[in-house]
Amino acid sequence: SQKIEQNSEALNIQEGKTATLTCNYTNYSPAYLQWYRQDPGRGPVFLLLIRENEKEKRKERLKVTFDTTLKQSLFHITASQPADSATYLCALDLDSSNTGKLIFGQGTTLQVKP
Amino acid sequence: DVKVTQSSRYLVKRTGEKVFLECVQDMDHENMFWYRQDPGLGLRLIYFSYDVKMKEKGDIPEGYSVSREKKERFSLILESASTNQTSMYLCASSPRGGGNNEQFFGPGTRLTVL
Repeated sequence: SQKIEQNSEALNIQEGKTATLTCNYTNYSPAYLQWYRQDPGRGPVFLLLIRENEKEKRKERLKVTFDTTLKQSLFHITASQPADSATYLCALDLDSSNTGKLIFGQGTTLQVKP
Repeated sequence: DVKVTQSSRYLVKRTGEKVFLECVQDMDHENMFWYRQDPGLGLRLIYFSYDVKMKEKGDIPEGYSVSREKKERFSLILESASTNQTSMYLCASSPRGGGNNEQFFGPGTRLTVL
């Protein structure tokens, strides 16, 4: 079955540094990979989508890479700020049936210290 | 401002009660989803619907049912609540299409079953 893994340990970094979060998957070849941000007690909020034929995508201080050979996506936040502290989820499209189903990783919590 | 709303932020029910969780979206989306989120387990799909009156089981449908009588509304029903259904429940919607569409999440309902 499809499996998606994110580092379950919290990532603690200093303000101004670049945060890098990892998403690995097995037994699947997704056409799309998405990243979401979730604050405590809230629903996830979409950040970025990257297609299988895209190596990299950027949005302001965010950068996502997608390596289909390694079956891995990296999510970078440059010049991190305390307001970036949250849990970040990656998600893969589950099938090609156009149902929009996604499989989510368990998320990695990022803590940015001032 | 697009929105997914859920009927309650917090809910406390007793074992054996029938519980209704309501979700409404104002974006005219075809796809709607119900997830539960538990620490260490991430988001798990309970049921989803890709059209009015259509529904499909997700990964953990046991003990739940759903109803979608109108396009904007997707209800999750716990037929006989049990303590292991204590969780955060999240509703989401997305437009018709596959994994290239982001999902919009509601704020979540934290359900406690005593």
